[in-house]
Amino acid sequence: QVQLVQSGAEVKTPGASVRFSCKASGYTISTYAIHWVRQAPGQSLEWMAWINAGNGDTKYSQKFQDRVTVSRDTSANTAYMDLSSLRSEDTAVYYCAKDGVGKQHFDFWGQGTLVTVSS
Amino acid sequence: DIQMTQSPSSLSASVGDRVTITCRASQRVSSYLNWYQQKPGKAPKLLIYAASSLQSGVPSRFSGSGSGTDFTLTISSLQPEDFAIYYCQQSYSSPRTFGQGTKVEIK
Repeated sequence: QVQLVQSGAEVKTPGASVRFSCKASGYTISTYAIHWVRQAPGQSLEWMAWINAGNGDTKYSQKFQDRVTVSRDTSANTAYMDLSSLRSEDTAVYYCAKDGVGKQHFDFWGQGTLVTVSS
Repeated sequence: DIQMTQSPSSLSASVGDRVTITCRASQRVSSYLNWYQQKPGKAPKLLIYAASSLQSGVPSRFSGSGSGTDFTLTISSLQPEDFAIYYCQQSYSSPRTFGQGTKVEIK
């Protein structure tokens, strides 16, 4: 069965960087794209970035373009997202999600990683 | 970016009720519209994709309709486990924007 298992919660100070990981099981990560979505406390969902896990192509939301990098390690069946220059507004749960067949919806999600940014 | 607007923002309903949630896109998205359910502390779960296709394993009481700019999620007979927040999402263009959510609460 398909599973996406994300790294654990983090506490960071303003200006720091954080790396998220998303390990896939039950399928080969290079088969489908991985998306990154975040959710601030009490807020809706916000799409951040996408990686074609097959060829490594990436696309970023303009909002995060300067601070986000997504990557993958096909040998580890794992995707990563790096977020830099953290500020308090980045406090949120960060999810990875897998493209479904047809590539127009997210059919499996990771459990989420809570990042708290506080001085 | 395409803006997605859901209505209502919240609703109270009883078990067995028929519930309808609407989602409007700021521009046409064809049928590239998905619905997700999210329970507290959990990741979203895909219910409906491509406006009206039921995701595998999702109960048939959930259905979706619409195309263009106006879409509907219907729960034909609300069950206790359906109390949650529901989000629409367009996948017509990047960024794949979400609606603000509709919270379905127990009356």
